Order: sequence, then C-alpha cells, then structure tokens
Amino acid sequence: DIQMTQSPSSLSASIGDRVTITCRASQGIRNDLGWYQQKPGKAPKRLIYAASSLQSGVPSRFSGSGSGTEFTLTISSLQPEDFATYYCLQHNSYPRTFGQGTKVEIK
Amino acid sequence: EVQLVESGGGLVQPGGSLRLSCVASGFTFSAYWMTWVRQAPGKGLEWVANIKEDGSEKYYVDSVKGRITISRDNAKNSLYLQMNSLRAEDTAVYYCGRTTAIDYWGQGTLVTVSS
Repeated sequence: DIQMTQSPSSLSASIGDRVTITCRASQGIRNDLGWYQQKPGKAPKRLIYAASSLQSGVPSRFSGSGSGTEFTLTISSLQPEDFATYYCLQHNSYPRTFGQGTKVEIK
Repeated sequence: EVQLVESGGGLVQPGGSLRLSCVASGFTFSAYWMTWVRQAPGKGLEWVANIKEDGSEKYYVDSVKGRITISRDNAKNSLYLQMNSLRAEDTAVYYCGRTTAIDYWGQGTLVTVSS
C-alpha cells in the first residue's frame, strides 16, 4: 500500500498568512493526487486535482504543486473561511489512501 | 448540478448487517466510477471501495474485504454498500463520491455499531 505522510498535523496561522501543507508518498504516484478541505460536520470539498489543477469555483489563493512523491498545497493569503482540515488523496494505485489530515487553526 | 444523497445509516449491533444507498443526480451516473469513503468519529478519511462504470471491477480496502460489498444499479442511478458482520470499528460517517479521484461528495450517512 502507498503511505501518504502529511505534515504538519496541525498549524496555527493568522489571517493573511501564507500556509503550506505537504504530502509525501511512499512511492511515486505521478500526479495522481487531490487536495480536499473539510469543515466540521461537513463533507470534504475538492480544491485541487491532478496535483496542481484548481477545481472550478475554488479561490485562486489555493494552489498545488508536485509530482512523483512530494506534493504541496499552498494558501497564499489565509482567509477566515479557510480554517478547516485539509487532506490529500492518492488515486494512483489500490488501495487509495489519504493523508492523515492537517488542521488549520486561528492564531 | 451534481448531487449525491446517501441513506441507510443507523444503529446496528455487532455482527449485524446494513445496506447503504447513494442516489445520484445531475450527471450521467453510468459513465463514472463511484467510490465509498468513511470517517470514524474524530478521525481522518479512509477510502473503503470503488466500482467501475459497468460494475465489472470492484476494489476494497483490506479491512472490509469479505464483509462489505459495493454494487450499483445504473438504471436507478444508485450506488450501494452492503455491510455484513459489522464491528465496532466500522462505526463512521460513510460518504459516496463520484470518480476514483472523488470530485463530488455526498453529505454522508452515520453508521453506529454498538450493543
């Protein structure tokens, strides 16, 4: 199974901060990776697909990069509505696996 | 508008069975792989299973193999998850999602396995 190691597990940041979250795959997954945002009590929402493509309707402050084994989600200027938990998902091989999540909290 | 609506969750005793459903609308259901994902209370997301457009291929996480079966009825735009021999560790919110890369998610249905 491919392990997705996501870091950090949590972070505190202020409005306007630049935030970076990383997912490392235990083996190469090309660009078969998505990033999701989940707010409490709600279903996840996809932000990024194919590692770096912005989902329609998602603000441009979100961006993704990487290929192979290392991937990054960046929020260029943190907004109040961005406080949530973020997950990566690899869909390169079975079983599909998620990162363990990164909780973004208000500083 | 893509919509996925899960149902069928509830309280079940250990060893019991439950069948979850997910009704899709707003897209051509028969043209997409479909996926089930679960989330235990206070925990992260866990991929459970997915199924090919015509149902000819199915994949499962090891922890549910032999106990849980994914299926679909394209005529009814519906996805199913038949869950047998349920354990306490199966307690979770179960989400259905569209495609293997999960672009859209339902709102989830809660399954609680407890005596």
